[in-house]
Amino acid sequence: AQKVTQAQTEISVVEKEDVTLDCVYETRDTTYYLFWYKQPPSGELVFLIRRNSFDEQNEISGRYSWNFQKSTSSFNFTITASQVVDSAVYFCALTLYNFNKFYFGSGTKLNVKP
Amino acid sequence: EADIYQTPRYLVIGTGKKITLECSQTMGHDKMYWYQQDPGMELHLIHYSYGVNSTEKGDLSSESTVSRIRTEHFPLTLESARPSHTSQYLCASSERGTAGNEQFFGPGTRLTVL
Repeated sequence: AQKVTQAQTEISVVEKEDVTLDCVYETRDTTYYLFWYKQPPSGELVFLIRRNSFDEQNEISGRYSWNFQKSTSSFNFTITASQVVDSAVYFCALTLYNFNKFYFGSGTKLNVKP
Repeated sequence: EADIYQTPRYLVIGTGKKITLECSQTMGHDKMYWYQQDPGMELHLIHYSYGVNSTEKGDLSSESTVSRIRTEHFPLTLESARPSHTSQYLCASSERGTAGNEQFFGPGTRLTVL
C-alpha cells in the first residue's frame, strides 16, 4: 500500500526565515513519482515540482529547493527567505508508474508573518 | 497555465436538492478526477475517469455520481444533498501517458448544504 505522511500540521515563521516542510512516503514499487503542490487561500492547487524515483538529484528553483532521499523515503521542501505570499497549505503526493491515482499527504499549513 | 474550470465556485442549497457541479478542461486531457476536501485538509479521491465512457469510484465512498460523455466535461451530481456533503470539491485533469504527469486543478466548488 502507498502512503504519504506530512507530520507537520502547521508551521509559523517570521518573514525571511528559512523553513523546511517534511514529506515521508511509503511504497514497495521501485518506479514512482513524487510531487509538491501549493494551495493558497484561494483554494486552487498549484503544481510546484515532480520527481521520479530514479532521479535523486536535488533541485533548486529560486527560493525553493527540494531534497529527495530514497534511503530515508523522504522528499523535503525548503523555502529560503520566506515571504508572506508563501503562506499556504502545501501538499506532498505520490503516484506509481502506470497508475492513475495520486496519494496525497494531509498537508502542512505554513504561516509566514511579516 | 492550466485551463480547467469549475462552476459554480460557491453554492448554498437546502437538504434534499439535486445538484450538479460542473468541471471542464480545454487541454484535451484524457484523465479527470474529483476530490473532496474539507478546508485546508487532506484531499480524498471520490471519482476518476480515464477517458470518455470510463468512470471509476475513488478511495472515499461518496453518494455522488459522475459521467464522462465528452473528453472535456466531467460533471458530478448529488441526487439528494445532505449537510454531510458540505465540503470543497476539486476537479483535476492530467494527460494520457505515464503516471508521472502532474494533475492540473480547477479552482474548486465550495458547497454548503443547510
